[in-house]
Amino acid sequence: GNSVTQMEGPVTLSEEAFLTINCTYTATGYPSLFWYVQYPGEGLQLLLKATKADDKGSNKGFEATYRKETTSFHLEKGSVQVSDSAVYFCAPDYGGSQGNLIFGKGTKLSVKP
Amino acid sequence: DAGVTQSPTHLIKTRGQHVTLRCSPISGHKSVSWYQQVLGQGPQFIFQYYEKEERGRGNFPDRFSARQFPNYSSELNVNALLLGDSALYLCASSWTDRDTEAFFGQGTRLTVV
Repeated sequence: GNSVTQMEGPVTLSEEAFLTINCTYTATGYPSLFWYVQYPGEGLQLLLKATKADDKGSNKGFEATYRKETTSFHLEKGSVQVSDSAVYFCAPDYGGSQGNLIFGKGTKLSVKP
Repeated sequence: DAGVTQSPTHLIKTRGQHVTLRCSPISGHKSVSWYQQVLGQGPQFIFQYYEKEERGRGNFPDRFSARQFPNYSSELNVNALLLGDSALYLCASSWTDRDTEAFFGQGTRLTVV
């Protein structure tokens, strides 16, 4: 079946450090790719998305590029802030219904001042 | 405009009891999906409803059921609660059943004791 693998956490960084969270997905079909963020005690918020190969999604300084050849969608940010502390979920959507939106296990990011 | 709203925000139930969780989608959205998020894991798909019909069901026992009302709000029911049902239950809404972008509520934290 379809699946997604993302880097295990927790990840602890100092403020202004560079962030990379790796994500790879199974290559069945041509999924849309999403990153969701979950701040402490809250639900999920869409962070960014990409719907076709080589597309770059970006938001709030975060970026991820749809790499079809490596089936990857790594999340990056050049300079993290304390307010970025949250859990990040990679989620390919294989289409057809919400049941085909598959979430990774999440990567907890802690940013220290 | 209001986002996806869920009620209650927290509740505690005893093993064997029944629980009903409620969700109101974003105005105009006709699809509602339910997810279970166990601590430390990504959300797992439970159900999707669109235009009051079930459009998808995840790998959950028959103790879990749901329905959607004419105003597109939805209820998730869980019977004979087990300790393992303790989780954050998330509701997501989208315009149609085939939308690639879902908007999530804050969730209901269910604790079974």
